[in-house]
Amino acid sequence: AQKVTQAQTEISVVEKEDVTLDCVYETRDTTYYLFWYKQPPSGELVFLIRRNSFDEQNEISGRYSWNFQKSTSSFNFTITASQVVDSAVYFCALTGTAGRRALTFGSGTRLQVQP
Amino acid sequence: EAGVAQSPRYKIIEKRQSVAFWCNPISGHATLYWYQQILGQGPKLLIQFQNNGVVDDSQLPKDRFSAERLKGVDSTLKIQPAKLEDSAVYLCASSLGGGQAYEQYFGPGTRLTVT
Repeated sequence: AQKVTQAQTEISVVEKEDVTLDCVYETRDTTYYLFWYKQPPSGELVFLIRRNSFDEQNEISGRYSWNFQKSTSSFNFTITASQVVDSAVYFCALTGTAGRRALTFGSGTRLQVQP
Repeated sequence: EAGVAQSPRYKIIEKRQSVAFWCNPISGHATLYWYQQILGQGPKLLIQFQNNGVVDDSQLPKDRFSAERLKGVDSTLKIQPAKLEDSAVYLCASSLGGGQAYEQYFGPGTRLTVT
């Protein structure tokens, strides 16, 4: 069975602070994909990143960066210089086996960025 | 490019009534998913279609939930009869499908309240 754990239920920061959202996963698959999605107050899930299990390089996209460590089964997400528009619920997710590509989601981390 | 469309956006029904949700995926996306998101939780898969065939419906409560994807495009999810615990947001997502774990694009969801 697959499992994604996001231990941080809610984080509150002040604008311009850096913040890291933690994600730990469990899977027996040797090949898998990890994702991060953002769910703003409007409710629609927005895709942020996909990472396959063979690629452990860190990735940076503007103020966003991701740290994938297979040895600790973690895929953490850092927002640098946070902004009020970053306020949302962030979900980490993991795919199933070949063909069954439904996502297993964590419970989400609510990020509040105060002005 | 148009995103995933869902209707209605909101629905309020009494328990034991029936309800149906509609989803139109992104053009060309072979795989379609229905997820249930209960307040404060991550989305959970109900059913996955590849074209018009079912890939995974292991978590669909088949005694009351049904879904179909006619002609491999639009999909309908039905609940009959509804229970109080079915109150949730029902999300439709689509992806290119095939062998890779392509990112899934989500619709705005249908918020169901069962009273």
